Amino acid sequence: AQKITQTQPGMFVQEKEAVTLDCTYDTSDQSYGLFWYKQPSSGEMIFLIYQGSYDEQNATEGRYSLNFQKARKSANLVISASQLGDSAMYFCAMRGWGAQKLVFGQGTRLTINP
Amino acid sequence: EAGVAQSPRYKIIEKRQSVAFWCNPISGHATLYWYQQILGQGPKLLIQFQNNGVVDDSQLPKDRFSAERLKGVDSTLKIQPAKLEDSAVYLCASSLGTGGSYEQYFGPGTRLTVT
Repeated sequence: AQKITQTQPGMFVQEKEAVTLDCTYDTSDQSYGLFWYKQPSSGEMIFLIYQGSYDEQNATEGRYSLNFQKARKSANLVISASQLGDSAMYFCAMRGWGAQKLVFGQGTRLTINP
Repeated sequence: EAGVAQSPRYKIIEKRQSVAFWCNPISGHATLYWYQQILGQGPKLLIQFQNNGVVDDSQLPKDRFSAERLKGVDSTLKIQPAKLEDSAVYLCASSLGTGGSYEQYFGPGTRLTVT
């Protein structure tokens, strides 16, 4: 079984600063995938970034990067140069390679202050 | 490309009533998921379809919840009878493939309030 832990219920950051959202996971699978989703107040889940367990390099997508430390079982999301529109809930999720189900963490509410 | 469509967006019912939610996935996506998201928590998978067959319904409360995807395209999730603890956002998602790196695309959700 997979488990995701996000220990930061809320974070407050000044606009243009970088922010790191923490995510640790637990799994006995050798192959798995890690995902980050953004959920604004409108409610829709927006895919941000993906990291495969065998990917040697950290994933990057524009201002988003995933700091993947396999030995520590952590997959932190880094947002560079934060913007007011980044204010939202952020969810870390994982899926075993053969499994279909995404398992989500509790989420972190990020607030960007002007 | 049109996204995942869901209706209604909001629904308020009394306990013991029944309710149904509709989802139309992205065209060509064979896999469809229904998630329940209780306030303050991450989404939890209720049921997953591959075409019109059920892949995983292990967390679906089958005594009151049912879902179908008859023609392998759109899907309906029903609750009968509803309980107070069913108050949540019900999210539908679809993906092109299964497992691996295939990302799931989510609809806007249906917010259900049971009074």
